[in-house]
Amino acid sequence: NAGVMQNPRHLVRRRGQEARLRCSPMKGHSHVYWYRQLPEEGLKFMVYLQKENIIDESGMPKERFSAEFPKEGPSILRIQQVVRGDSAAYFCATYGTVNTEAFFGQGTRLTVV
Amino acid sequence: KQEVTQIPAALSVPEGENLVLNCSFTDSAIYNLQWFRQDPGKGLTSLLLIQSSQREQTSGRLNASLDKSSGRSTLYIAASQPGDSATYLCAVASSGGYQKVTFGTGTKLQVIP
Repeated sequence: NAGVMQNPRHLVRRRGQEARLRCSPMKGHSHVYWYRQLPEEGLKFMVYLQKENIIDESGMPKERFSAEFPKEGPSILRIQQVVRGDSAAYFCATYGTVNTEAFFGQGTRLTVV
Repeated sequence: KQEVTQIPAALSVPEGENLVLNCSFTDSAIYNLQWFRQDPGKGLTSLLLIQSSQREQTSGRLNASLDKSSGRSTLYIAASQPGDSATYLCAVASSGGYQKVTFGTGTKLQVIP
């Protein structure tokens, strides 16, 4: 859905570098969910954030991954010291307030070389 | 823990055929179920959303049904077209104060002209 904006669309990082992925939810939405899609696998929940709060990070790897959603600006998913296994598509989503339909961004495809 | 399975993993059909994609889930305490389409290298497009209280939803040539008691949903595509070729994902939102969606691994559909 065009309302959920992710950037960059493609990101290439060398092993050991940091990756920053950004997500701006639809106007009027103050929450985001991040998902990761590894090659040939289904989407897996990573973290759910509301403005200035992490609500559920049960899907986040314990090390190197962090997420924030500041009062102003987009949500950021940060991956420190990237490794080849981090190569994946990362999606963020929000949910409609009326019928709870999910809206996804176009994703960021991270390639670690 | 909710688990979502989609069968078949891949399907190839000639143009014009009617087809059924299957989705099964292990925990019947769901909030809703949503079918998505994902084109290669692209994001997710929502096709149909079925609330837990509903039995089916229809949009054009698509019809999705939900049977919570048996933990199943089907996506019916009538008169398939080459443009329907994509991966179809089933996503189940669990009951609770917020939604944490569990995705199936998808059915990759190819419609042959």
